[in-house]
Amino acid sequence: GQQVMQIPQYQHVQEGEDFTTYCNSSTTLSNIQWYKQRPGGHPVFLIQLVKSGEVKKQKRLTFQFGEAKKNSSLHITATQTTDVGTYFCAGLRSNTGKLIFGQGTTLQVKP
Amino acid sequence: GAVVSQHPSRVICKSGTSVKIECRSLDFQATTMFWYRQFPKKSLMLMATSNEGSKATYEQGVEKDKFLINHASLTLSTLTVTSAHPEDSSFYICSASDLGSSGSYNEQFFGPGTRLTVL
Repeated sequence: GQQVMQIPQYQHVQEGEDFTTYCNSSTTLSNIQWYKQRPGGHPVFLIQLVKSGEVKKQKRLTFQFGEAKKNSSLHITATQTTDVGTYFCAGLRSNTGKLIFGQGTTLQVKP
Repeated sequence: GAVVSQHPSRVICKSGTSVKIECRSLDFQATTMFWYRQFPKKSLMLMATSNEGSKATYEQGVEKDKFLINHASLTLSTLTVTSAHPEDSSFYICSASDLGSSGSYNEQFFGPGTRLTVL
C-alpha cells in the first residue's frame, strides 16, 4: 500500500541552529500536508502544498513540494525552544480525504 | 482554525467493558471524520473513515466489530471500543474535514485526543 517515509526520526539541535525534516512517498501525492504535535498535545495543521515544485514560507519555516509530487521537506531557520515537538508530513489520498502520515520527526532544541 | 472537541479526555476501565468516545466539530459541519490511534512516540495510524449517515470504512487490520463507529450527524461521530482489553490501551484521536468549493478535501482539524487505559 501507499507509504510515506519521514526522516530523521529524532533531531537534537542547539537553539539558533537550522533544522530540516524530509518526507518521501512511494506514490505520487495529490497534495501533502504538514502538522506539528507538541508533547502531550494533538496534531495541529501547519500548511498544505498542492502544486509540483511549490515552496511556501511561514516566518522561519519553509516548506517544499518536489517536482514529482513524491517528496517534501520542512526547513526551520534559527530554531527556538518553541519549535520543540514532532513534525508530521501527511500525504492526501485524493477523493477520500484520507491522510497517510509519515513517522514524524521529533525536534528537541537545547537553549 | 476549526475547533474539534473530544470526550472524555482520559478514561480508565476494566478489561471486558466497553468505552464510548465522542468527537464533535464545534463550528463547522464536517463532511468526514477520521479516527486514529497513536502509540507512544509513534505516528498516527488511521483506523477508519466516517461519513455522516453511512457506514464507516475501516482500514485493513482494524476490526469493525471491535471498534464501532457511528456518525449520526455532521457534527458528531462516536467510537466505541467494545470488550476492551489491555492491548487496546492507546491514545485515540479524531479529526474532522470538509469538502472545499473545489470538491477536494481541506485540511483536517484534530480533537485533543482520548487516552484509554484498560486494566
